Amino acid sequence: DTEVTQTPKHLVMGMTNKKSLKCEQHMGHRAMYWYKQKAKKPPELMFVYSYEKLSINESVPSRFSPECPNSSLLNLHLHALQPEDSALYLCASSQDPRAGANVLTFGAGSRLTVL
Amino acid sequence: GIQVEQSPPDLILQEGANSTLRCNFSDSVNNLQWFHQNPWGQLINLFYIPSGTKQNGRLSATTVATERYSLLYISSSQTTDSGVYFCAVDPDMEYGNKLVFGAGTILRVKS
Repeated sequence: DTEVTQTPKHLVMGMTNKKSLKCEQHMGHRAMYWYKQKAKKPPELMFVYSYEKLSINESVPSRFSPECPNSSLLNLHLHALQPEDSALYLCASSQDPRAGANVLTFGAGSRLTVL
Repeated sequence: GIQVEQSPPDLILQEGANSTLRCNFSDSVNNLQWFHQNPWGQLINLFYIPSGTKQNGRLSATTVATERYSLLYISSSQTTDSGVYFCAVDPDMEYGNKLVFGAGTILRVKS
């Protein structure tokens, strides 16, 4: 299995809702990532988990809350989002964060619309 | 932080033509990857190439680390090559897991 699976593919939520994005990989990778991509822009790093511990938080607002329950799963909990948070949210994984050749494998993304 | 510039920003090709995409970066890097994003948003890793030359079918890439640039060559282009090509780099000399993406090159291949 060489895939990163993201659910849901599409999500529409109001500003008062609480929702979660889910990411799963079964490649034995030990680093997992959340990226945010606005329309016609490149992906921007949000969070990195290394061996199930949060290693990088790129000053992301607290209305985004990541969680890594185990080495295969990565969640992004969403609460009190703003319309400007509408974007494609991409999950990625890589084999070993301590290795030099850190090749990222991306999921297909979750397209979020905040009304 | 590190700056990544890609050129050209847009490129329109006739099917069968060849092209070269360029990525310039402002600092030494430990990790450089090329990605293709299809019209549905899926990012596919094309090459991990912090230095040297690699080839995969009709695609090849060269990174000259000392001069801080990388090139992606696409030969005999096909309509399925359309999409956005991103170069992403990480200057972290220890681990290399904080990739910074360039703005991308939008490629359209016409039949």
